[in-house]
Amino acid sequence: NAGVTQTPKFQVLKTGQSMTLQCAQDMNHEYMSWYRQDPGMGLRLIHYSVGAGITDQGEVPNGYNVSRSTTEDFPLRLLSAAPSQTSVYFCASSLIGSGNTIYFGEGSWLTVV
Amino acid sequence: AQSVTQLDSHVSVSEGTPVLLRCNYSSSYSPSLFWYVQHPNKGLQLLLKYTSAATLVKGINGFEAEFKKSETSFHLTKPSAHMSDAAEYFCVVSGMDQAGTALIFGKGTTLSVSS
Repeated sequence: NAGVTQTPKFQVLKTGQSMTLQCAQDMNHEYMSWYRQDPGMGLRLIHYSVGAGITDQGEVPNGYNVSRSTTEDFPLRLLSAAPSQTSVYFCASSLIGSGNTIYFGEGSWLTVV
Repeated sequence: AQSVTQLDSHVSVSEGTPVLLRCNYSSSYSPSLFWYVQHPNKGLQLLLKYTSAATLVKGINGFEAEFKKSETSFHLTKPSAHMSDAAEYFCVVSGMDQAGTALIFGKGTTLSVSS
């Protein structure tokens, strides 16, 4: 019972490089989302998806792309990394609707130099 | 619009003494509220949640929280702190997106426990 799996756990990128953070869940959840965590800021929503083929922007979407081709997977793409994207990234999934428990991955630590 | 404010960025207690982590929320409708805990370099774990049932919510590891609509508060308490409770705690309100599912996080409260 894996839950929400994120890879990689740690990554160092050079400014301008691209990369994809992978996220997969095995709970058949319709809702998946990406957050970034920065010191003193809590977690902020980047993008979310309510099902395969449907994505939308959250609070801080600039510099990130997402797609949802299957229910299980929700990758986050950084097309041209910037130092401001140094952060800890969390993928999450849940059933749709307020009050449902949201399950988080273990996090991905990204440093852009 | 919804928002959540954690009133203390850092709380220090001695082992065996009570814990109080304060959270106020703002919501245009009846919210769902959560407390999550994050231990250093770890992911987030759900402590408890309120979804318009009982106003006193019991969670894991002896934590509980009381929803007070008149005060727009959802404070987290524990009668007796343990060293393992040292972590960062987030108060969270749900429902900012079209699915009513996304979470708005407070900025977090770091709990330190001394022996």
